[in-house]
Amino acid sequence: GQNIDQPTEMTATEGAIVQINCTYQTSGFNGLFWYQQHAGEAPTFLSYNVLDGLEEKGRFSSFLSRSKGYSYLLLKELQMKDSASYLCASMDSNYQLIWGAGTKLIIKP
Amino acid sequence: GAVVSQHPSWVICKSGTSVKIECRSLDFQATTMFWYRQFPKQSLMLMATSNEGSKATYEQGVEKDKFLINHASLTLSTLTVTSAHPEDSSFYICSARVSGLAGGPGETQYFGPGTRLLVL
Repeated sequence: GQNIDQPTEMTATEGAIVQINCTYQTSGFNGLFWYQQHAGEAPTFLSYNVLDGLEEKGRFSSFLSRSKGYSYLLLKELQMKDSASYLCASMDSNYQLIWGAGTKLIIKP
Repeated sequence: GAVVSQHPSWVICKSGTSVKIECRSLDFQATTMFWYRQFPKQSLMLMATSNEGSKATYEQGVEKDKFLINHASLTLSTLTVTSAHPEDSSFYICSARVSGLAGGPGETQYFGPGTRLLVL
């Protein structure tokens, strides 16, 4: 079956670094996506990995290991506005996104 | 680029009425759009895949006669919730499949802002 696992909730301190892990198991693989969703809003695209390694984009980085079915999203210099849910999604062989349940990130001052 | 709009953003209606939600791709053509539903504190649930010019593909457990989808043009898909009931109250989000966006991934989905439906 298809399955995406990520922690339900994480807490971090403003200015710190946090890593949100995601493991995936899908029928075929066409990339791993991270989306950010603030409460009451639709998801917004953050990052995409299809090759192994680290993709850096400002304060956010995303890593992929295809052999391990594993990805993480790294957020540096955390700001209060980063409090949101972070959704991991794997694109399967039909180019359909299979979604994780999301990780709610709580930032404390 | 890749802007998706949804209308309306909020709907409050009486039980038994029908509600139409529009999803538009503003600066690109979307042959494929997706309709999701999200209940509070839960993940996105794919309801159906909408393909321009053909019938939508519904996920298991989603009633196609209750959730009517029409994708008549390359920039517009509509979801009609027929005879809405309080249990249909949810956050409905559409997304458009985007391929080959400059500077972006080869294939991804961009989301509309969502429509919050409250059925009384």
